[in-house]
Amino acid sequence: AQSVTQLGSHVSVSEGALVLLRCNYSSSVPPYLFWYVQYPNQGLQLLLKYTSAATLVKGINGFEAEFKKSETSFHLTKPSAHMSDAAEYFCAVSDQGFGNEKLTFGTGTRLTIIP
Amino acid sequence: AAGVIQSPRHLIKEKRETATLKCYPIPRHDTVYWYQQGPGQDPQFLISFYEKMQSDKGSIPDRFSAQQFSDYHSELNMSSLELGDSALYFCASSLRGGPQETQYFGPGTRLLVL
Repeated sequence: AQSVTQLGSHVSVSEGALVLLRCNYSSSVPPYLFWYVQYPNQGLQLLLKYTSAATLVKGINGFEAEFKKSETSFHLTKPSAHMSDAAEYFCAVSDQGFGNEKLTFGTGTRLTIIP
Repeated sequence: AAGVIQSPRHLIKEKRETATLKCYPIPRHDTVYWYQQGPGQDPQFLISFYEKMQSDKGSIPDRFSAQQFSDYHSELNMSSLELGDSALYFCASSLRGGPQETQYFGPGTRLLVL
């Protein structure tokens, strides 16, 4: 069964600093990988996804992630943090197979931006 | 663009009562997923439907049932509610068959069981 591990349940960065949120995956088949963001009291919004095309994936709000098979990682980065980036971030994985696309989420990383 | 609609957005029930949550997928999406997110937890997959048939099942209690209707909307029925059922329930929809299927999530229904 596929799984993802998010390293660091809380991450704090200064406004304007680099954001790095870590995600490692485990999957017996080539995975689809996703990053979702959840603002307080809101639903999950898709930031970006990897589906076996380009290994560097660009998403919304200036975020990007790089798929590294050798490291089984899919870390999320943003060059310069903004106050509006404060939220909970979830890494998720699904199998590519037909009829088996349920998402398995990591435990989430709460990002705090320091003014 | 149209998004996934969930209703109600908030629901308060007593223990042992029943609740029905509704989900209206994005137009033309044929697959619906239900997830449960407990306080401070990550979303957990409950069940999914494709073309009105159950396609996958996760950690859904036997007290819960769900279905997808001919117009593709879905309902999650919860009976004999317990305090532990208090959570945020998400519905997501996707269009099956494309090479890059993506689940789009609704805003969630926050259920509080007293």
